[in-house]
Amino acid sequence: ETGVTQTPRHLVMGMTNKKSLKCEQHLGHNAMYWYKQSAKKPLELMFVYNFKEQTENNSVPSRFSPECPNSSHLFLHLHTLQPEDSALYLCASSHGTGSLSQFFGPGTRLTVL
Amino acid sequence: AQSVTQLGSHVSVSEGALVLLRCNYSSSVPPYLFWYVQYPNQGLQLLLKYTSAATLVKGINGFEAEFKKSETSFHLTKPSAHMSDAAEYFCAVSDQNFGNEKLTFGTGTRLTIIP
Repeated sequence: ETGVTQTPRHLVMGMTNKKSLKCEQHLGHNAMYWYKQSAKKPLELMFVYNFKEQTENNSVPSRFSPECPNSSHLFLHLHTLQPEDSALYLCASSHGTGSLSQFFGPGTRLTVL
Repeated sequence: AQSVTQLGSHVSVSEGALVLLRCNYSSSVPPYLFWYVQYPNQGLQLLLKYTSAATLVKGINGFEAEFKKSETSFHLTKPSAHMSDAAEYFCAVSDQNFGNEKLTFGTGTRLTIIP
């Protein structure tokens, strides 16, 4: 498989559940990103990892916990979410933390009941 | 601080007509500028980018955009709309902070093509 893949594509969870989103990139990139896309709002950068190290946390609530075990994989662990966390979560990757070459995955559509 | 304003959250054009999607930016330093497209149930795909070379930038699918510093604009155009152009389009800005650029996105413009 090529490019940036995300699983699952759709997720429905209750506020007390714990779930994880997975992102995998097959592009040989070393930087990975999580974005949140809510209706009628600009994309919000959540986290940035470069060579497995977190370089950016954009004041994201602690109920979102990222994990980057290697440069090809990125996870977003979710627990005790709120209905307002329902959104499309997009993963992206690039060579370094420059924006000139960010490639996006298809996203996970999350619904919190 | 950077920001992007996309005028018009919805734009409708007839098939074969000119497409014009507007983007104005604010940046305290020379910017990089981008247009991304998002088709239903898909992620964002880069259409084109301005990186301080030629001010008229050509992208994929027949789209182009012109950087106008005096107007702080980076409008996206396509001479003749096709049904397959129906999607949401996002303008984004990044400062030229080499190695740590961050994208700031607009709220998007949904383009509808009328047969």
